[in-house]
Amino acid sequence: GQNIDQPTEMTATEGAIVQINCTYQTSGFNGLFWYQQHAGEAPTFLSYNVLDGLEEKGRFSSFLSRSKGYSYLLLKELQMKDSASYLCAVRDYHGGATNKLIFGTGTLLAVQP
Amino acid sequence: NAGVTQTPKFRILKIGQSMTLQCTQDMNHNYMYWYRQDPGMGLKLIYYSVGAGITDKGEVPNGYNVSRSTTEDFPLRLELAAPSQTSVYFCASTRTGGDGYTFGSGTRLTVV
Repeated sequence: GQNIDQPTEMTATEGAIVQINCTYQTSGFNGLFWYQQHAGEAPTFLSYNVLDGLEEKGRFSSFLSRSKGYSYLLLKELQMKDSASYLCAVRDYHGGATNKLIFGTGTLLAVQP
Repeated sequence: NAGVTQTPKFRILKIGQSMTLQCTQDMNHNYMYWYRQDPGMGLKLIYYSVGAGITDKGEVPNGYNVSRSTTEDFPLRLELAAPSQTSVYFCASTRTGGDGYTFGSGTRLTVV
C-alpha cells in the first residue's frame, strides 16, 4: 500500500525555525518532493530529494532518509508569508517513468508575530 | 511564458450536467496530470498522460475522462456531474521527474 503521514497543523513564531516531518510507506520510491500551497492558490515546488541527506535552498532545507522512510522540511528565519500548507509528495515508480506523485494531506503552518 | 493555463477558474454545475475543464501548457512537457483537492484530503490523482496519445487512470478516475491529442492540451471531461465531484481541480505538467510539477491555478467546481 501507499501511505504518507504528516502533521495536520503546526504553529511557529516569526524569526524562529520550524521542522515539518513526513513519513512514507510506498511500494515504489523514486524521489520525495515538498510543495508550498497558500490558501486558495496552486502548490508551488520547493524541493526534491532522491538520495539520502540534506538539500539546502536559502531559508528552506529538506532531508531524506530512504531506509527510515522519513523526510523533513526545515524553514529558518520564519516570515509571516511562510504561513501556508506544506505538502509532502512521493514519486511513484513501478518499472516505468510515469512521474506520478502521491501527496500527503499537507501540514498547515501558522506563523505568529 | 504562460506555463500551465486552466479554464474556467470557477464553475457551478447542476447534477447530471457535463463539462470540460481545459488545461494547456506551453513548456513542451510530455507529462501531464489531473488532480482533485478536497479539504483535508490532499491531492488525489484522477488521470495522467506521459505523452500525446497516451493516457492512464490514477487513484480516482470514476466519473471522468481525458484525452491527449496534442502535447499542449489535456482536457478533463465530466459526463454526468454529481455532488461528490465538488472539488478544486488542478492540472500539472513536468518535463522530467526531478523538475517538480508546474501547476495551473486551479478550477473550483461546485455541483448542486
